[in-house]
Amino acid sequence: LAKTTQPISMDSYEGQEVNITCSHNNIATNDYITWYQQFPSQGPRFIIQGYKTKVTNEVASLFIPADRKSSTLSLPRVSLSDTAVYYCLVDSSASKIIFGSGTRLSIRP
Amino acid sequence: KAGVTQTPRYLIKTRGQQVTLSCSPISGHRSVSWYQQTPGQGLQFLFEYFSETQRNKGNFPGRFSGRQFSNSRSEMNVSTLELGDSALYLCASSRGSNTGELFFGEGSRLTVL
Repeated sequence: LAKTTQPISMDSYEGQEVNITCSHNNIATNDYITWYQQFPSQGPRFIIQGYKTKVTNEVASLFIPADRKSSTLSLPRVSLSDTAVYYCLVDSSASKIIFGSGTRLSIRP
Repeated sequence: KAGVTQTPRYLIKTRGQQVTLSCSPISGHRSVSWYQQTPGQGLQFLFEYFSETQRNKGNFPGRFSGRQFSNSRSEMNVSTLELGDSALYLCASSRGSNTGELFFGEGSRLTVL
C-alpha cells in the first residue's frame, strides 16, 4: 500500500532552489516524515526528518503544514551533484520502512 | 566512525546456486534491514532484524532468508537463484528506535546468469 505520492521527475538548474512536494494523506499520528537521497549504485542517504512545522539542517529544509498531509523538501542553490533520486517516507517504526518510487531530480548547468 | 560494510560488493552466480551476503552495521546499531533494488521494482523491503530476531518481513519467497548474530552482524541468503534475483542488495542499520533513520551500505551487486 503506497503511503506517499511524489512527482516522478523534476528538472532544475544550478543555483536554483528546488522544492519537492510529497503527499501523505493517510499519515498516522505517530509517523515521522523522512527524506533520503540516492545516487546510482549507492545506498540511500538520510537527508532530513521531521514531525511538524519546519526543520532545517546544513543541506535542506523540510516544511510540514499543520495537517501533516504533505511535506516539502527544499534544496537551496542546487548544484550538478544534487542530481539524484529523492525518496519521501512516512513511518513510525524502524522495523519496516517502505520506500516509494521517489523523485528523479536532474540539475542542468 | 565506520559506516555499514557489505561484502562482497560484486558477485556472479548461475541459476540454481545459492548466495550469502554479509552486512556489518555501524557500531552500536542493533537493527539491520535488507532491501533489494532493481530498475523495474525499485527498493523493496526484504526483512529486518533486531537483537537477533526477525521483527518484520517483506513479500519475498522463502528462498530469501536472513539471520543476525549477537554482534549485530547480519547475513542474508538466497537459495536456488533465479535470473530475476539479479539486483543490488542493500543493507541498512539503525539504532532500532522509532525515528527510523537508516544508514545504508554501498550494497552487493548480484548477477545471476
